[in-house]
Amino acid sequence: DQQVKQNSPSLSVQEGRISILNCDYTNSMFDYFLWYKKYPAEGPTFLISISSIKDKNEDGRFTVFLNKSAKHLSLHIVPSQPGDSAVYFCAARTSGTYKYIFGTGTRLKVLA
Amino acid sequence: DTEVTQTPKHLVMGMTNKKSLKCEQHMGHRAMYWYKQKAKKPPELMFVYSYEKLSINESVPSRFSPECPNSSLLNLHLHALQPEDSALYLCASSQDLGGRMVDTQYFGPGTRLTVL
Repeated sequence: DQQVKQNSPSLSVQEGRISILNCDYTNSMFDYFLWYKKYPAEGPTFLISISSIKDKNEDGRFTVFLNKSAKHLSLHIVPSQPGDSAVYFCAARTSGTYKYIFGTGTRLKVLA
Repeated sequence: DTEVTQTPKHLVMGMTNKKSLKCEQHMGHRAMYWYKQKAKKPPELMFVYSYEKLSINESVPSRFSPECPNSSLLNLHLHALQPEDSALYLCASSQDLGGRMVDTQYFGPGTRLTVL
């Protein structure tokens, strides 16, 4: 049972445009969400997080939106740069647990 | 500083070997994690240590043996592995906020393990 889903395995975007990566979850008890970027053969790099008490969090070119009623979050990257090309994972956890549940990842390719 | 270091970067071992993976962080984090990641899959949790005590073992085979000798170090001892254990092994750490609440996890670069 995949509690966190990233339904788009890949996405291509032109440099300078907006990249939107989506993540859906099924467990309404999730209260903290993270986005990671991962290059091949490297560990995931933390990008941005959001708590369930918020619906938006921004950090530079990265913005995460949370829609609790739809159980959906999205990561916006504006403007996209070729160096953003990587696999992006969303992850979620429930209060009172050590365990983060990861999505299956979306491979973003930013075309120069 | 959000650095988690892992050694070695690459490891090739036979099925009869004994080896260890090492992980270190100096962020004062009291929760540390081992994950396994296969190609094109998300990281899969193996073990969680909280304040140097094992809190979670996700039904990992006994040929993987974790150890947390102090608050900065985490080891994963490997013995009699199988070829299907070949994967990227990731260490992570986070603030332990108490009551099994944890903050953002920070990952190390991983050890690429190949079992022949």
